[in-house]
Amino acid sequence: EPEVTQTPSHQVTQMGQEVILRCVPISNHLYFYWYRQILGQKVEFLVSFYNNEISEKSEIFDDQFSVERPDGSNFTLKIRSTKLEDSAMYFCASGGEVVNEKLFFGSGTQLSVL
Amino acid sequence: GEDVEQSLFLSVREGDSSVINCTYTDSSSTYLYWYKQEPGAGLQLLTYIFSNMDMKQDQRLTVLLNKKDKHLSLRIADTQTGDSAIYFCAERETGGGADGLTFGKGTHLIIQP
Repeated sequence: EPEVTQTPSHQVTQMGQEVILRCVPISNHLYFYWYRQILGQKVEFLVSFYNNEISEKSEIFDDQFSVERPDGSNFTLKIRSTKLEDSAMYFCASGGEVVNEKLFFGSGTQLSVL
Repeated sequence: GEDVEQSLFLSVREGDSSVINCTYTDSSSTYLYWYKQEPGAGLQLLTYIFSNMDMKQDQRLTVLLNKKDKHLSLRIADTQTGDSAIYFCAERETGGGADGLTFGKGTHLIIQP
């Protein structure tokens, strides 16, 4: 069964550094998403991406965040200057076809900001 | 804003049925989902229901939707040790694709031998 893959599975970084989290969505999917889950809290929507641009974003997705689909297969989340509170599990998801009722999630990248 | 609530823990005996409940506030929810998260793993889509349906069955899983009360439940028949996981309820306002899911905090399903 096709799946969403995310790399790396764990990322440790120093506060203030830039990180790029990578995702390969399911190949025929059209919609791409990033979510995050801070330890012990709800899974939160960050951003959706369609047709090479951001469709929707939440209040969490401020100017330090950006997304890109650089080459038609990868979908990346960049955090420009990481803060301690950015430590979380980041999930990529994709959905496709005409009516996008199903979202498939990757296994996540655990980001630890020290 | 939208909110989704679930109880945090459910403990059942192996072989019994598990019923995980969820309430949501957004009356314009179109799709409602159940995701499963095993330790160290991502979110696995278990099943989903469209808001014009009352019930959906898929092998051991039965989803019931009471749209009037904004209540969703997931019944797992003949619960096995492999069903131990966190189960997330989620809702989505439209099927249009762009908007995100709103998740509950998740229910830890604990299986007693």
